This record gives sequence, structure tokens and C-alpha cells, in this order.
Amino acid sequence: EDQVTQSPEALRLQEGESSSLNCSYTVSGLRGLFWYRQDPGKGPEFLFTLYSAGEEKEKERLKATLTKKESFLHITAPKPEDSATYLCAVQPPPGNKLTFGGGTRVLVKP
Amino acid sequence: NAGVTQTPKFRILKIGQSMTLQCAQDMNHNYMYWYRQDPGMGLKLIYYSVGAGITDKGEVPNGYNVSRSTTEDFPLRLELAAPSQTSVYFCASNPSRDRVHNEQFFGPGTRLTVL
Repeated sequence: EDQVTQSPEALRLQEGESSSLNCSYTVSGLRGLFWYRQDPGKGPEFLFTLYSAGEEKEKERLKATLTKKESFLHITAPKPEDSATYLCAVQPPPGNKLTFGGGTRVLVKP
Repeated sequence: NAGVTQTPKFRILKIGQSMTLQCAQDMNHNYMYWYRQDPGMGLKLIYYSVGAGITDKGEVPNGYNVSRSTTEDFPLRLELAAPSQTSVYFCASNPSRDRVHNEQFFGPGTRLTVL
């Protein structure tokens, strides 16, 4: 059975204090690993897709990396507007279905 | 493009009532999905569709039904509402069968409470 575990469940940061979120996965083959951002009361918003171990992608203060067993989302010098829940999902074959982790709630204080 | 739209935004049902959650997308995506999200949890797949006329069960389909008569619309039906169906429901669509540009686009959600 495909499983995705995110840690920590919640993270409180001071503005400028860099940190990393972890996404560990067990999947029978990996077509892709996805990171989403979700603001309160809204639907998830796509951030990144990673396809193979060693791959990295960046967007502003966010950088996602992938190994064979886990992915990290690094937040560099976060700002209060980075406060959100970050969701990780894996896409095993076949088809385009996603299995989500429970998310990490990030709060960045000014 | 409006993207993925969902109606209603909020709904309160009594136990045993029925309702349909509406979902539409104007991006001509073949794949569409219904998820539920319980407080503090990730998303769980209820049903999905790979095209008009084709639907399949996800991880938690019990108590729900779907249909897909057009590419644009993918309604979710609750026949006999139960308190366990209190949740936030998200519809999503996916543009491609290929590896590239394979992300899902989500609607704003419907918050459902069953009392």
C-alpha cells in the first residue's frame, strides 16, 4: 500500500529563520512527487513536481529536493506570507491518481 | 479561464438527506477527481474520471456516487448523508496523460456539515 508521511505536523518559525519540511514515502514505483501549498479555506495550489532522485526545483524562497525514499521542502529566510499548510503527494503507476500526506502547517511570525 | 469551480461553498445537511456537489472545469481536461479533507488531515480520493462516461472508485468511495456525462462537469452525489461525511470536498482536474505538466488543479472546495 502506498504511504506518505509528512513531518513535522506543525512548524513555527521566526521571519528569516530557515527550515526544512520532510515527506517520506513508500510507493510501488514513483511517477512523480508533488508539493502543494494550501491556505486556510482554499484549495491546494501546485508548487513543484519532482520525477527522479537527485532532482531539485526552486521557486522564490522554496526549494524541493528528492531522494529514493523522501523529499524535502526547504524554506529559506521565510516571510509571514509563507505561512500555509504544505502538502506532499506521490503518484504511483498506473494512471494519474495522487496519494497525499497529512501536511505540515507552517506559521511564520514577523 | 475560470479554472475549476465548485458549488455550493457551504452546506448543512440533516442525517439522511441527499445532495449533489457540483464541479465544473473549463480547461478541457480529461481527468477529474473528487477528494475529501478532514480537519488537520491530507486529502483522500473518493472517485475519479479519465474522461466522459468513465468513472472509477478511489480510496473512500462508500456513501458517494459520481457521473461524468460531459468533459466539463463531474458532480458528486451523497444519497443518505451521515455525520461521518462532514468534511471539506475538493474537486480537481488534470490536463495531461503525459509525464510533463501532470499537476492537478483544485477548486475552492465545498464545506459540508451533516447534523
